[in-house]
Amino acid sequence: GQQLNQSPQSMFIQEGEDVSMNCTSSSIFNTWLWYKQDPGEGPVLLIALYKAGELTSNGRLTAQFGITRKDSFLNISASIPSDVGIYFCAGPKGVDSNYQLIWGAGTKLIIKP
Amino acid sequence: DSGVTQTPKHLITATGQRVTLRCSPRSGDLSVYWYQQSLDQGLQFLIQYYNGEERAKGNILERFSAQQFPDLHSELNLSSLELGDSALYFCASSVVGGSRADGYTFGSGTRLTVV
Repeated sequence: GQQLNQSPQSMFIQEGEDVSMNCTSSSIFNTWLWYKQDPGEGPVLLIALYKAGELTSNGRLTAQFGITRKDSFLNISASIPSDVGIYFCAGPKGVDSNYQLIWGAGTKLIIKP
Repeated sequence: DSGVTQTPKHLITATGQRVTLRCSPRSGDLSVYWYQQSLDQGLQFLIQYYNGEERAKGNILERFSAQQFPDLHSELNLSSLELGDSALYFCASSVVGGSRADGYTFGSGTRLTVV
């Protein structure tokens, strides 16, 4: 089925570094969502974007809704150990009973010891 | 607590057996979605129910089935289990209606180990 292209697949970073990841699609989305999944837990919504060009922050996290509406970016500043996990982008299709999320494959963030 | 309750949290069973995973959605949510996540993999969509009716199917095996009951809780039945069915199984529910649907709310998952 349809999937969003998320990159990179994984990242090894040093504590304190900034992190960037992105998500692209061949079709337009009117909303972009970014989730984080801690090991062994369910994904949790971090940031929701509703308007092309929108830039939204949540603490050290900043996400942007691309102007073309076909991409989105997530940045994490000054990474800390608890940032470890898998970050997923998602875009919704349909409404009400037909509401579904299309998912990226995830970016796994690993902090080098 | 996300408001989506999944039980059991862990399940260990033998090949060939059948198990049932249970999910109670967040209060007021009519849609329930089931996902499978194998080790270090992405989220594989299995099936969606809305107010008791099946709405969408993903990569769900014929050995797997689900249903949503009148009280909106859902059960995922996995039968003739194989080693490869070992995975995390997540349930999610979504807000219905509104101009800004903020995605899904996930439960904490059931970790199934088939030995």
